Amino acid sequence: EVQLVESGGGVVRPGESLRLSCAASGFAFDDYGMSWVRQAPGKGLEWVSGINTAVGSAGYADSVKGRFSISRDNAKNSMYLQMNSLRVEDTALYFCVRGGWDGATKFDPWGQGTLVTVSS
Amino acid sequence: SYELIQPPSVSVSPGQTATITCSGDKLGDKYISWYQQKPGQSPVLVIYYDAKRPSGIPERFSGSNSGNTATLTITGTQTMDEADYYCQAWDSSTAHVFGTGTKVTVL
Repeated sequence: EVQLVESGGGVVRPGESLRLSCAASGFAFDDYGMSWVRQAPGKGLEWVSGINTAVGSAGYADSVKGRFSISRDNAKNSMYLQMNSLRVEDTALYFCVRGGWDGATKFDPWGQGTLVTVSS
Repeated sequence: SYELIQPPSVSVSPGQTATITCSGDKLGDKYISWYQQKPGQSPVLVIYYDAKRPSGIPERFSGSNSGNTATLTITGTQTMDEADYYCQAWDSSTAHVFGTGTKVTVL
């Protein structure tokens, strides 16, 4: 069974940092691009960042560019999102999804999400 | 930046057809995916590459894409189809974009 499990969410103050992790299982992780998608409370979906299979090939939404950094460790079947200089507007449920960042792709499946709350 | 616009809500009677639109500039030149999200759950892919259904998705879900509008159609809508639906596309200037979302109510 294909499974994505996120962790690392929590409550932080504006300006602080947080690192999210996504553990993948049930498929050949290094064959797939991966992405993070977030959903603010009561709002719609927003693509945040994605990383392809090739090392160094990553993309970011304008809203997080320069503050967030995505990475992956194929040996550990894991993806990460380093979030720095967090803002109140970054508060959201962050989903790990299978699907790369450049070109047409489908996001399938989705993890259960990890909640990030940025509040003073 | 690229935008995808959906109607905020669609109401449909059980057994009838629900039509959800997604509008964007030259959308027909792009591939569209559709996601279903029920309250408290993660989104689920229901259509990809405009009209393909993943395994396990009922045949009553279908999609099309032409011109500036993509459409998700639910034929013979069931109460279990009540959910939020999002379209999604990739644009070279914006990367991945999700639509504004449509709440489908079955009543």
